Amino acid sequence: DGGITQSPKYLFRKEGQNVTLSCEQNLNHDAMYWYRQDPGQGLRLIYYSQIVNDFQKGDIAEGYSVSREKKESFPLTVTSAQKNPTAFYLCASSSTLAGNSYNEQFFGPGTRLTVL
Amino acid sequence: AQKVTQAQTEISVVEKEDVTLDCVYETRDTTYYLFWYKQPPSGELVFLIRRNSFDEQNEISGRYSWNFQKSTSSFNFTITASQVVDSAVYFCALPRNTDKLIFGTGTRLQVFP
Repeated sequence: DGGITQSPKYLFRKEGQNVTLSCEQNLNHDAMYWYRQDPGQGLRLIYYSQIVNDFQKGDIAEGYSVSREKKESFPLTVTSAQKNPTAFYLCASSSTLAGNSYNEQFFGPGTRLTVL
Repeated sequence: AQKVTQAQTEISVVEKEDVTLDCVYETRDTTYYLFWYKQPPSGELVFLIRRNSFDEQNEISGRYSWNFQKSTSSFNFTITASQVVDSAVYFCALPRNTDKLIFGTGTRLQVFP
């Protein structure tokens, strides 16, 4: 089955620690995205990548870092610089076939991060 | 600037009622797409529909229908004969700069038996 996997589903970390959230897709999509969702709010874009070895900051990139060494993987590191990291994190991917960048994004199941 | 407004924070209905979720958008683009996603309690967003601004015909898919009106910048979503399984948060979204989606704040729909 094709899809997006995120691990772990729940993650707890102590204040001051860095933590890496995994995102893997086997849909052969070029573009991948990381979003943050806070209770009662919509999704906000953290980082996105349209091609391997390239990525761009989204609206709330401060305190986060990413890498895109493989097409199918786009891990997100939440650093100790992120002031309020407790949130639900969603990874997504989309196809850019025929130069169409408006294709729908497919989402993973999410990782709920709690900072203790 | 691109903006999506979902003014309804939460809606509660009883099963079999029809319900409409509102979405109002702002864009300077002449050509654009609009999206609806569903987020069930499990958390994963599920894609429902993508609509091109050129096509103003209503879309129907089973119990779901969408009404797109450029004149009022609205893209409303109606669920006919709602079911408990429709309980979720629904998001409307608009692309910005071709590849970034701007999401509304979502409407939480609760369908009671």
